[in-house]
Amino acid sequence: AQTVTQSQPEMSVQEAETVTLSCTYDTSENNYYLFWYKQPPSRQMILVIRQEAYKQQNATENRFSVNFQKAAKSFSLKISDSQLGDTAMYFCAFRDAGNNRKLIWGLGTSLAVNP
Amino acid sequence: DTAVSQTPKYLVTQMGNDKSIKCEQNLGHDTMYWYKQDSKKFLKIMFSYNNKELIINETVPNRFSPKSPDKAHLNLHINSLELGDSAVYFCASRSTTGVYGYTFGSGTRLTVV
Repeated sequence: AQTVTQSQPEMSVQEAETVTLSCTYDTSENNYYLFWYKQPPSRQMILVIRQEAYKQQNATENRFSVNFQKAAKSFSLKISDSQLGDTAMYFCAFRDAGNNRKLIWGLGTSLAVNP
Repeated sequence: DTAVSQTPKYLVTQMGNDKSIKCEQNLGHDTMYWYKQDSKKFLKIMFSYNNKELIINETVPNRFSPKSPDKAHLNLHINSLELGDSAVYFCASRSTTGVYGYTFGSGTRLTVV
């Protein structure tokens, strides 16, 4: 069975600094998709970044970037120049490449950005 | 606005009641989902529909019944509500062609008292 593990239940970072959230996953598939979602106190689930497993290049979206290590099955999220608005729960999620497949979620990391 | 919209955002009801949560997406996506987020923030798939056809049905009590009248709507009906049903329920949609991103609704916080 596919699983997603986020080993850091809580993290904190000072404003303007960089923080890395870890995520590992387990799968026997070769082609799949990985996601980081942000859930602020408003409860809305917001896609932060997405990575296709067949792409070697790490995805980046402005201040957010990933370190995708396919062999190690690791998918960490780096947030640069942290802002107060980055305070949220961050969820790592996995989906295999078949159609209509479900997202498998990690337990989340609660990130607090301190002024 | 293009979005996934859920109603209601909050629902407080007594044990034993029957309630429905509605979801609509105007993104033209062909697949819709219901996810449940428990009090510990853990997210789990409940159901998925593709073009009105049930694709995923996880181990969910049969008191929960999804209904998809068309591919833009996926409603969730819950019979005989129990205390353990209290959670946040998220609707999401996705296109199976092109970009494989999911769009989530804002969630419905269900509280059973």
